[in-house]
Amino acid sequence: DIQMTQSPSSLSASVGDRVTITCRASQSISSYLNWYQQKPGKAPKLLIYAASSLQSGVPSRFSGSGSGTDFTLTISSLQPEDFATYYCQQSYSTPVTFGQGTRLEIK
Amino acid sequence: QVQLVQSGAEVKKPGASVKVSCKASGYTFTSYGISWVRQAPGQGLEWMGWISAYNGNTNYAQKLQGRVTMTTDTSTSTAYMELRSLRSDDTAVYYCARARRGITGTNFDYWGQGTLVTVSS
Repeated sequence: DIQMTQSPSSLSASVGDRVTITCRASQSISSYLNWYQQKPGKAPKLLIYAASSLQSGVPSRFSGSGSGTDFTLTISSLQPEDFATYYCQQSYSTPVTFGQGTRLEIK
Repeated sequence: QVQLVQSGAEVKKPGASVKVSCKASGYTFTSYGISWVRQAPGQGLEWMGWISAYNGNTNYAQKLQGRVTMTTDTSTSTAYMELRSLRSDDTAVYYCARARRGITGTNFDYWGQGTLVTVSS
């Protein structure tokens, strides 16, 4: 199975900050990488697919980059509604696997 | 608009089975697959498997092989996930998600609201 490792596991930041979350795959996954946002008690929401494509309806302050084994999710200017947990997910091979999550908290 | 509406919360005893439904609307059901993802309390996301709504082909996570069955009913645009021989560590919120497949891989673009399954004696 492909292991997905996110860093950091948790992060404190302020409204307006630029934030970057990293996801590393245990082997090359090309660009088969997606990012999700999850708020407490809610289902995950797709933000970025294929490493860098913005899902329809997602604000442009979210962006993704990377290929191979190293990927990043960047939020250019944090908004109050962005405080949530973020997960990466690979679809290069089954089983589909997710990172352990990065909890983004208000400083 | 695309919607996935899941069945309600369940409480089961160890060794029992549970069957969760996921009714789709707002799109052509047979044009996409459905994946099931679960989340234990306070934990991350775990992929359970996938079913093609077009032909019923399935792909299950190896750790659940033999205990899980995913099916669809195209006449009602509903997907089902049955988990048998329940254990306490199966306690989780179970999500269905529409699986959008393309040349850039598979992503889950719409999700159900989740179904809490509690396994307790």
